[in-house]
Amino acid sequence: GQQVMQIPQYQHVQEGEDFTTYCNSSTTLSNIQWYKQRPGGHPVFLIQLVKSGEVKKQKRLTFQFGEAKKNSSLHITATQTTDVGTYFCAVDNYGQNFVFGPGTRLSVLP
Amino acid sequence: DGGITQSPKYLFRKEGQNVTLSCEQNLNHDAMYWYRQDPGQGLRLIYYSQIVNDFQKGDIAEGYSVSREKKESFPLTVTSAQKNPTAFYLCASSITDGGTSYNEQFFGPGTRLTVL
Repeated sequence: GQQVMQIPQYQHVQEGEDFTTYCNSSTTLSNIQWYKQRPGGHPVFLIQLVKSGEVKKQKRLTFQFGEAKKNSSLHITATQTTDVGTYFCAVDNYGQNFVFGPGTRLSVLP
Repeated sequence: DGGITQSPKYLFRKEGQNVTLSCEQNLNHDAMYWYRQDPGQGLRLIYYSQIVNDFQKGDIAEGYSVSREKKESFPLTVTSAQKNPTAFYLCASSITDGGTSYNEQFFGPGTRLTVL
């Protein structure tokens, strides 16, 4: 099945600093999804990327799909305490289901 | 309101007992999924179903069983054969396009199972 890695595992930032998490796969992906899970909560869908080199923005969040469709990144500009949580990427597993990465846990110090 | 419900939120069981976790959705989604999440870890797929009366094993199906008799319901049974059942269990659903699951997953609130 698909293997997916995420780095870093943890990130501590001061409020107002930027944050980036990376998702990497050894195989070419048809699409990739990003989810956010607040502490004690459940994952919530953020976005899906499909096209090579695609860049999508949601307010302070910028998502990018690599040109080779093997990696993706999520960048948060000027983090806020509401950004705290774990960010997961999920990659398509041959159209049957999705494989989730291990996640990047973000903490934001006020 | 449309959504996915899981009950109960917290569940305690004695070792050696089977326990069934409920998952219901009224989103009219064909595909449903069960994941296990351990503290500080990612989501691991236990079972998934893309259509009624059919389901497939995920990466960690041993010690678990499911049924999909109705589109809305996908209960998970944690059997006594599961060696480390204490975990956070998440159910999800999604739309499928001709049997392929490319779409976003909607998650329920989860059930925290503790086996004593």
